[in-house]
Amino acid sequence: EVHLVQSGAEVKKPGESLKISCKGSGYDFNGYWIGWVRQMPGKSLEWMGVIYPGDSDTTFNPSFEGHVTISADKFITTAYLQWSSLKASDTGMYFCARRRLTTLGVAIGAFDIWGQGTMVTVSS
Amino acid sequence: DIQMTQSPSSLSASIGDRVTISCQATEDISNYLNWYHQRPGKAPKLLIFDTSSLEPGVPSRFSGSGSGTHFTFTVNSLQPEDIGTYYCQQYYLVPYTFGQGTTLEIK
Repeated sequence: EVHLVQSGAEVKKPGESLKISCKGSGYDFNGYWIGWVRQMPGKSLEWMGVIYPGDSDTTFNPSFEGHVTISADKFITTAYLQWSSLKASDTGMYFCARRRLTTLGVAIGAFDIWGQGTMVTVSS
Repeated sequence: DIQMTQSPSSLSASIGDRVTISCQATEDISNYLNWYHQRPGKAPKLLIFDTSSLEPGVPSRFSGSGSGTHFTFTVNSLQPEDIGTYYCQQYYLVPYTFGQGTTLEIK
């Protein structure tokens, strides 16, 4: 069965660093883009960016580029979302998700498999 | 960025009702439009991709239509498990953007 399992909830102070993870199993992890989606409390979903674990090719939402790092370790089938200096406005739920492939193997912009989410709370 | 606007923002319907949600894009996105369902405290679930293609395993009471800038999502014969928030998402241009959501409750 296909799964994405994310690391647990985090409570951090402004200025601290953080790296959260998303481990894939049950499919060819290197052959599917993995994306990150933010959901601030009571709000909608925000597409942050995607990474292709096979070669670490990355595409960012310009609103997040420079503030977060997206990476992946294909050997342990895990993707990461990282901050070097957190802000209170980073508080939210972060989901990883897999980009869907068509029957011809083309990646489309829909996310068909989602992790359970990682709640990040940044507060002094 | 392409803005996605859903209407209504919330609605209440009875079991067995037909429910329709609209999603409008600020520019032509062809058919690059997906629909998700999110229950409280859970991850979103993909229901429909490419405007009208049903994700495998999703009940056939869900459907989608539209093209260009205006899209429609329909639930035929509403069931109790359909409560939650529905989001449209465009993937015509990066950054891929979501609508603000439509919250559905049962009367």
